Order: sequence, then structure tokens, then C-alpha cells
Amino acid sequence: GENVEQHPSTLSVQEGDSAVIKCTYSDSASNYFPWYKQELGKRPQLIIDIRSNVGEKKDQRIAVTLNKTAKHFSLHITETQPEDSAVYFCAASGGSNYKLTFGKGTLLTVNP
Amino acid sequence: DAMVIQNPRYQVTQFGKPVTLSCSQTLNHNVMYWYQQKSSQAPKLLFHYYDKDFNNEADTPDNFQSRRPNTSFCFLDIRSPGLGDAAMYLCATSREMGGRQPQHFGDGTRLSIL
Repeated sequence: GENVEQHPSTLSVQEGDSAVIKCTYSDSASNYFPWYKQELGKRPQLIIDIRSNVGEKKDQRIAVTLNKTAKHFSLHITETQPEDSAVYFCAASGGSNYKLTFGKGTLLTVNP
Repeated sequence: DAMVIQNPRYQVTQFGKPVTLSCSQTLNHNVMYWYQQKSSQAPKLLFHYYDKDFNNEADTPDNFQSRRPNTSFCFLDIRSPGLGDAAMYLCATSREMGGRQPQHFGDGTRLSIL
């Protein structure tokens, strides 16, 4: 089955700096890679996703890049703000695998 | 407007006393999922329904069951909750099966066991 590794497990940045979270996956058939943001006690919220026919996708301060050859994808947050503080989960699915396989999460703290 | 609604937000039950959690959706999605999430961990899929077809994950305990009486509603039944079942339970939906469908989560029900 699919295995998703996520790094780092915790990340602390100063407000205004950039944050990068990286994930690797094992199943070359995976073709859908969403990122979820989960604030304490709240639901995971889909913030951006990318499909395997695209190498990069951007939405305002958030971008995701995908390297299919290396089987890794990354979340980039620029100009971080305190409200970006949350746990971020990457996930992978695709082909006949309907399931989302999640990474273990990254606790991002943005210090004012 | 909330599109995946879970009730209650907090549920307390006694050890061994059956409990039911509910989920409803206004998205008219075909697939509904139940996840268990423990503190500082990723969500863990318990089972899902595609329309009325039920699919259990291999490692989901027999203590957990689910019902989907119609497209909009899905229930999670825990027959005899143990202390280890204390967790956040998340419901999610997607329009269709297949790995490229976004899943939309509800706010979850936090279950405590006394």
C-alpha cells in the first residue's frame, strides 16, 4: 500500500517568513495530492491540491510543487501570518486507491 | 454554510455503553467516510459508503459499525466503547469514488469515555 512520509514534524517561523513542508510517497500510481490545514479542535480543511499532470499550483500565498520522478511534493507558504499556525497534513491517493493516505502532520507555529 | 454537519460536537459516554454519532451532508455526494483521529495523529479511515455499498477497513474493530439510511445521513455506532475509543470522529464526503476526488470534512465529534 501507499506510504507517505512528512517532514518536519514541527516548524517554527517568524511572521513574514516562508514555510516549506515536504512529503514523499511510495506508490507511483498515486496521482492526487491534497494538503489539509487543521486548527486545534477543528476539522481538516482542504487548502490546496495538485494532480499528477501538473508540476506546480499556486493560490495566493500558498503553492504546492510535485516531482513525480522523485515522488515528492511540497507545500510552500509565503509571508506567513499568525493565523497560518495549525497542523498541516499532506496526503496521497490515486489509481484504484480511493483512500487518502495521510502523512503524520506538521505543527506550524508562526511567531508574531 | 456548513456542508458536512456532525452532531453532537461533544459526546460523553460510559465505558461499555453504546453510542451513536451522526453526520449529514448537503453536498449530495455519493461517498461518505468515517475517520477516527487521536491526539497528534493523522485521521485513520474506519469505513466508507459508496451510495449504499458499505466498505470496512481491514483493521477496523468489530465494535464499530455504520448505517447510511439515505444519501444525506450516515451514522457511526460504537457498540461497547472502551477507553481506547476516546477520540475525535470525523465524517467526510466526496462526490465520487476514485483517488482524485477531494474529501470534505465535518467539524467532528469529540468522544469521551468515562
